[in-house]
Amino acid sequence: DAGVIQSPRHEVTEMGQEVTLRCKPISGHDYLFWYRQTMMRGLELLIYFNNNVPIDDSGMPEDRFSAKMPNASFSTLKIQPSEPRDSAVYFCASRGEGRGQETQYFGPGTRLLVL
Amino acid sequence: SQQGEEDPQALSIQEGENATMNCSYKTSINNLQWYRQNSGRGLVHLILIRSNEREKHSGRLRVTLDTSKKSSSLLITASRAADTASYFCATGRVQGAQKLVFGQGTRLTINP
Repeated sequence: DAGVIQSPRHEVTEMGQEVTLRCKPISGHDYLFWYRQTMMRGLELLIYFNNNVPIDDSGMPEDRFSAKMPNASFSTLKIQPSEPRDSAVYFCASRGEGRGQETQYFGPGTRLLVL
Repeated sequence: SQQGEEDPQALSIQEGENATMNCSYKTSINNLQWYRQNSGRGLVHLILIRSNEREKHSGRLRVTLDTSKKSSSLLITASRAADTASYFCATGRVQGAQKLVFGQGTRLTINP
């Protein structure tokens, strides 16, 4: 398996632009997580899905952020409009269901810079 | 809010020495996991210890868990330059165990 795939790996955009981050989880995994990592706030969970359904979006910073999972092999995190304070590394992770499947597998991340 | 707090924030040792990192948490947990992050990379799972376990080993890694003190430690023995990375503890709570709450991490530097 190729692992969790994220694209793009790097994104530079201007304030006010829409940004879409993409994630392909490991095949067969039922859970998908979106995280944001910054020096100031560390690693924060934004939202997670179970079987394509959003379960907990309490970490989504504000209405400018939205996430979807239209099918088991694809998820997007959208920021519209983007702001400089959104600059961070965004990680996607996935895991399986049940006991013994608690390990999360992380993608390489998308490094976002909003100018 | 952060669940796990690692200590120290940074650690620098000589190659061959042992490295110990600590993690404290606040609420009841189902399991505690340790992850490593190399610079510019995603996190990689190292080891998981369940709330009813006290110690676990994996190669050069040894993890302990004290649920009465709400703390865990990660010991890396015979450190190597390749162990240079940030190490994070993450807790799976009793309720909502599907998600993990990560600490701020310990930055470990192994000097050759």
